[in-house]
Amino acid sequence: AQTVTQSQPEMSVQEAETVTLSCTYDTSENNYYLFWYKQPPSRQMILVIRQEAYKQQNATENRFSVNFQKAAKSFSLKISDSQLGDTAMYFCAFATNPFYGGATNKLIFGTGTLLAVQP
Amino acid sequence: DVKVTQSSRYLVKRTGEKVFLECVQDMDHENMFWYRQDPGLGLRLIYFSYDVKMKEKGDIPEGYSVSREKKERFSLILESASTNQTSMYLCASSSGGSLAKNIQYFGAGTRLSVL
Repeated sequence: AQTVTQSQPEMSVQEAETVTLSCTYDTSENNYYLFWYKQPPSRQMILVIRQEAYKQQNATENRFSVNFQKAAKSFSLKISDSQLGDTAMYFCAFATNPFYGGATNKLIFGTGTLLAVQP
Repeated sequence: DVKVTQSSRYLVKRTGEKVFLECVQDMDHENMFWYRQDPGLGLRLIYFSYDVKMKEKGDIPEGYSVSREKKERFSLILESASTNQTSMYLCASSSGGSLAKNIQYFGAGTRLSVL
């Protein structure tokens, strides 16, 4: 069974600094996706960034980038130039292979890291 | 923008009541999901549906059922609410097809308290 582990329940960073959130996963599959989702306080969960397992190049979205180490099954999120609006719960997630001929992808989530950006 | 709407943000029910949580999406997505979110446990999948009238159990289906009579609506039903079902419930939807397309979009959540 696939599992996702986030070992940092809480983190804090000063505004404008860089912070890295850790995520490890376990799977025997070779083709999968990894995601970081952000859940701001009392607001909807939104996708931050995603990585395709067969791509060696790390994904980047503006101030957000990942360090994907497939052999180590590690998928960390780096937030550069942290802003107050980055304060949120961050979830790492793994997408299983399509189910029933490709109709669905179930997400397996980690337990989350609560990030506080301090002014 | 994709919109996933959950009918209630907060809900208070009594033990033994039948509870309906409603979710509607406006993007013609094939797949819909119900999760439960608890501190320290992350999100756990209760049920999902990949088509109208089709449903599959997730990781923690006990005590829950679902209904999908129309493509845009996915309901979570607690047949007889219990205090251990007090939680945040999140609905999500995604398009079908290839792995590359399948990003889940979430509703704002329903915080259910069972007294």
